[in-house]
Amino acid sequence: AQSVTQLGSHVSVSEGALVLLRCNYSSSVPPYLFWYVQYPNQGLQLLLKYTTGATLVKGINGFEAEFKKSETSFHLTKPSAHMSDAAEYFCAVSDLRSNTGKLIFGQGTTLQVKP
Amino acid sequence: KAGVTQTPRYLIKTRGQQVTLSCSPISGHRSVSWYQQTPGQGLQFLFEYFSETQRNKGNFPGRFSGRQFSNSRSEMNVSTLELGDSALYLCASSSKPSGSSTDTQYFGPGTRLTVL
Repeated sequence: AQSVTQLGSHVSVSEGALVLLRCNYSSSVPPYLFWYVQYPNQGLQLLLKYTTGATLVKGINGFEAEFKKSETSFHLTKPSAHMSDAAEYFCAVSDLRSNTGKLIFGQGTTLQVKP
Repeated sequence: KAGVTQTPRYLIKTRGQQVTLSCSPISGHRSVSWYQQTPGQGLQFLFEYFSETQRNKGNFPGRFSGRQFSNSRSEMNVSTLELGDSALYLCASSSKPSGSSTDTQYFGPGTRLTVL
C-alpha cells in the first residue's frame, strides 16, 4: 500500500534561512508526488508536482522539490524563507491502484518563520 | 476562471442530525473528490465522482454519501451526525476527461462542520 511520511510535524526557521520540509513515500511503482500548502482557514493550494521526467521540480513562490527514487524521498526546499511562507505543508502521493485522482496525504508539517 | 466553491463555509449541527454540503467545481472540470480533515486523522479521502458516477470510495461508514449532478456540481451528505464528524470537509476538482493519477486537484476553501 502506498503511504507518505512527513518527518517533523513542526519546523521553525528564521526569515531568510533555508526551508527544508521532509517527505518520504512508500510505493511499489513509480509514484506521482505532490506538495500542497494550506494557510489558516483556507483550502489546499498546489505548490508543485512530480509525475515523470526531470526529478527537480520547481513550483510556485520559490519552492522546489527533488524526487530521489533511491531514497524514496521528495523533500521540499526554498532557499530563503519569507514570513508569508508560514503555513501547513502537505506531501501527497497518488493512489496508483485506483488510477483516479485519489490522493494519500502525509500528516502535514507546520512551518513557523521567525523574524 | 473561478475556483472551486463550497457552501456553506461554516455549519453547526447537533448529534443525530443530518447535513448536506455542496461543491461547485472549476468550470469544465468533471471530476470531484471529497476529503475530511481532522487534527487527529489528517486528510482522508472520502469519495470521488466523475460524470455523475462514483469512481472511488474511502474507508468511511455508510452514513457518508455523495452524488454528482449533470453540471458536475457535487453534494455530500452525512446522516446521523456524531461528535467525531466535526471536521473541515474539502472538495477538489480536476480536469482530465478520463480522470487519472496525474490529475492536478484544485481544492476549495472547505466547509467547517461542528457537531455539538
